[in-house]
Amino acid sequence: AQSVTQLGSHVSVSEGALVLLRCNYSSSVPPYLFWYVQYPNQGLQLLLKYTSAATLVKGINGFEAEFKKSETSFHLTKPSAHMSDAAEYFCAVGFTGANSKLTFGKGITLSVRP
Amino acid sequence: KAGVTQTPRYLIKTRGQQVTLSCSPISGHRSVSWYQQTPGQGLQFLFEYFSETQRNKGNFPGRFSGRQFSNSRSEMNVSTLELGDSALYLCASRALAASNTGELFFGEGSRLTVL
Repeated sequence: AQSVTQLGSHVSVSEGALVLLRCNYSSSVPPYLFWYVQYPNQGLQLLLKYTSAATLVKGINGFEAEFKKSETSFHLTKPSAHMSDAAEYFCAVGFTGANSKLTFGKGITLSVRP
Repeated sequence: KAGVTQTPRYLIKTRGQQVTLSCSPISGHRSVSWYQQTPGQGLQFLFEYFSETQRNKGNFPGRFSGRQFSNSRSEMNVSTLELGDSALYLCASRALAASNTGELFFGEGSRLTVL
């Protein structure tokens, strides 16, 4: 079985500050890991993904995440927050295979203060 | 390439009614998944269809059902609606080639309100 834990439901940062959104996973097989972003009244958009290549993954909008197997973590970071980053962020775990499905965390709402 | 298209975007129903939601996947994607999103429960997996067959199913009552057509378009149906069925229903498609990472591509959702 696989699961995702996103600690906390809300993170607030000032514009220009570091963004750090935490994600820990559990998986019985080598996982694929994803971060998605959701803006109000929209669907989810893929930010970045880890697929067992480089452990530091760069995504869109200046976000990146590092896969740490020893810590079973895949935290999302951005050096400098922008007002447009305010949204809900979801971490998800999956694996390849005919019967695989993505399991999502509860999501974290990011607020950016001017 | 066109994205995942869901219709209708918004709808209001009353308790006891039924509803059908439609999803057209990205061209070439043969897998379609459905998720229910609510503020309290987050994203919950409903089911996945591939080549007109249900491959995975989440923990939802039998009132929730789905199907997939030969052109990969999918519908989900909820019968005997309850207030708790009010949610954003998200459809997602993906390719399932051997080397594929399995990432999902989401539509914008159908917002269902049950009164």
